[in-house]
Amino acid sequence: SQELEQSPQSLIVQEGKNLTINCTSSKTLYGLYWYKQKYGEGLIFLMMLQKGGEEKSHEKITAKLDEKKQQSSLHITASQPSHAGIYLCGADRGSYIPTFGRGTSLIVHP
Amino acid sequence: DVKVTQSSRYLVKRTGEKVFLECVQDMDHENMFWYRQDPGLGLRLIYFSYDVKMKEKGDIPEGYSVSREKKERFSLILESASTNQTSMYLCASTTTGALETQYFGPGTRLLVL
Repeated sequence: SQELEQSPQSLIVQEGKNLTINCTSSKTLYGLYWYKQKYGEGLIFLMMLQKGGEEKSHEKITAKLDEKKQQSSLHITASQPSHAGIYLCGADRGSYIPTFGRGTSLIVHP
Repeated sequence: DVKVTQSSRYLVKRTGEKVFLECVQDMDHENMFWYRQDPGLGLRLIYFSYDVKMKEKGDIPEGYSVSREKKERFSLILESASTNQTSMYLCASTTTGALETQYFGPGTRLLVL
């Protein structure tokens, strides 16, 4: 069964708009990972969050892990067409075996 | 740069055929993984391997087998391909204890007719 719930499932935004993707777990997360996948390609690691309240940024993408370590959000500021793709959250379910959310498909209209 | 390569980007096979998907990594990683990715279902783990000749079942191993004879190579085998195995297959490798260093191959899109 899926341990990570992502929302929304898909997102269409106008270039320049901000957006947020959420990832929720029913269990405490000991490591939460965000990946980006360009359509038809493999996944690229973006960021890892481990501590409650931790926040990291990479260019215009910011990810945060809540204090309870059960929810993470990924925020894109001033979206660009290059941000388009599928964003997946992943977590270590134990023994370094990863589990993934179902992904959020992002389309950015110029 | 770490490289994970997969033998084919696109593959078309017929029902009942035996299919081999090859994955090679060049970073001496201990762990290798095979996933399939389907719309609405995300990534699902088929098999993984911690070391040469070792394999562990993931969440959906039925209909698949794997082989790891050399550290750098992890093969996924569909013994008798079926139409419900039409999917995108992704291979990944990582060093022990660091999922953030999980590197993915470009994927193989398999169509079973």
